[in-house]
Amino acid sequence: AQTVTQSQPEMSVQEAETVTLSCTYDTSESDYYLFWYKQPPSRQMILVIRQEAYKQQNATENRFSVNFQKAAKSFSLKISDSQLGDAAMYFCAYRLLGTDKLIFGTGTRLQVFP
Amino acid sequence: AAGVIQSPRHLIKEKRETATLKCYPIPRHDTVYWYQQGPGQDPQFLISFYEKMQSDKGSIPDRFSAQQFSDYHSELNMSSLELGDSALYFCASSLANSATNEKLFFGSGTQLSVL
Repeated sequence: AQTVTQSQPEMSVQEAETVTLSCTYDTSESDYYLFWYKQPPSRQMILVIRQEAYKQQNATENRFSVNFQKAAKSFSLKISDSQLGDAAMYFCAYRLLGTDKLIFGTGTRLQVFP
Repeated sequence: AAGVIQSPRHLIKEKRETATLKCYPIPRHDTVYWYQQGPGQDPQFLISFYEKMQSDKGSIPDRFSAQQFSDYHSELNMSSLELGDSALYFCASSLANSATNEKLFFGSGTQLSVL
């Protein structure tokens, strides 16, 4: 069975600084997607970034980028130039190609200090 | 742009009652997913529908049922409610057979409280 592990329950960063959130996953499959979702206090799940496992190039979305290490089954999220609005719970998630189920990690709560 | 609409936003029920949650996907989206997020927990996949047919099934209790209608909206029916059913219920939608079919767009959720 596939699992997603986020080993950092909480992280904090100073405004304008950079922070990296860790995520590892376990799967025996080769075709899958990985995601980072943000859940602010409003509790809506917002897609931050996604990565196709077959792509070697790391995904980037503005200030958000990932470090995808397929062999190590690692998928970390880097947030550059952190803003107060980045404060939220961040969930790493895995989805096997051809299935509908998203498997989430337990989340990392990010605090941003001015 | 239109988003995924869920109703109601909040629902309070008593044990053994029934509840119906509704989800209206983004226009043209043909796939709907339901997730349950308990307090302080990560979301758990319940069930999904594609073109009105059940597509995938997760940890959905037998007391729950769901369907997708001809207009693609979906309803999650929950019977014999238990205290442990108190959670935030998310609906998400996507467009299958598209270049970005793996992108799920989530609604704001329905907060169900069972007393």
